[in-house]
Amino acid sequence: EVQLLESGGGLVQAGGSLRLSCAASGIAFSSYAMSWVRQAPGKGLEWVSVISGSGDSTKYADSVKGRFTISRDNSKTTLYLQMNSLRAEDTAVYYCAKSMVYDKEYGMDVWGQGTTVTVSS
Amino acid sequence: DIVMTQSPLSLPVTPGEPASISCRSSQSLLHSNGYNYLDWYMQKPGQSPQLLIYLGSNRASGVPERFSGSGTGTDFTLNISRVEADDVGIYYCMQALQTPTFGQGTRVEIK
Repeated sequence: EVQLLESGGGLVQAGGSLRLSCAASGIAFSSYAMSWVRQAPGKGLEWVSVISGSGDSTKYADSVKGRFTISRDNSKTTLYLQMNSLRAEDTAVYYCAKSMVYDKEYGMDVWGQGTTVTVSS
Repeated sequence: DIVMTQSPLSLPVTPGEPASISCRSSQSLLHSNGYNYLDWYMQKPGQSPQLLIYLGSNRASGVPERFSGSGTGTDFTLNISRVEADDVGIYYCMQALQTPTFGQGTRVEIK
């Protein structure tokens, strides 16, 4: 069974840091691009970042560029999101999602259950 | 950034009847390779989003045939041929031609 399991969310003060993890199982992890997508309370979806299958290509939303870093460890089939200089507006449920292809963000066909990040100001 | 605009934002539907959601982009999503980089996702209450349609018109694995996507360039439509009660949720379009952006979402509810 294909599964993505996020962890690492929690309550942090503004200006603080947090590292999210997404453990994958049941897929050829290194063959697919992986993304982070977030959803603020009561709001819509916002794409955050993507990393290619090998990890050599990354892309970020302007709202997190310079503060967040996406990475992956294919030997551990795990995706990460290092979040620094957190702001109240980063408060959201963070989902990891698998793309259908190696190096593009489209077709996110497997999603985790999400992990909640709350930034207190 | 490419801005995605969905309409309507709320859609009351009758089971068994058809329904459609419009999504317009501020720039063409048609790539030189012939594909439109437009996905449709659905989020049921309390659940994670799920992929319905990718590259404009391709139904994702396991998605019922009553869901279809059409359109090209800047105008796209998600059609549900016969709505079922299980289709209640929020539907999002997302462009992936440039840095991905989602539409505001369309809430589908049963009348």
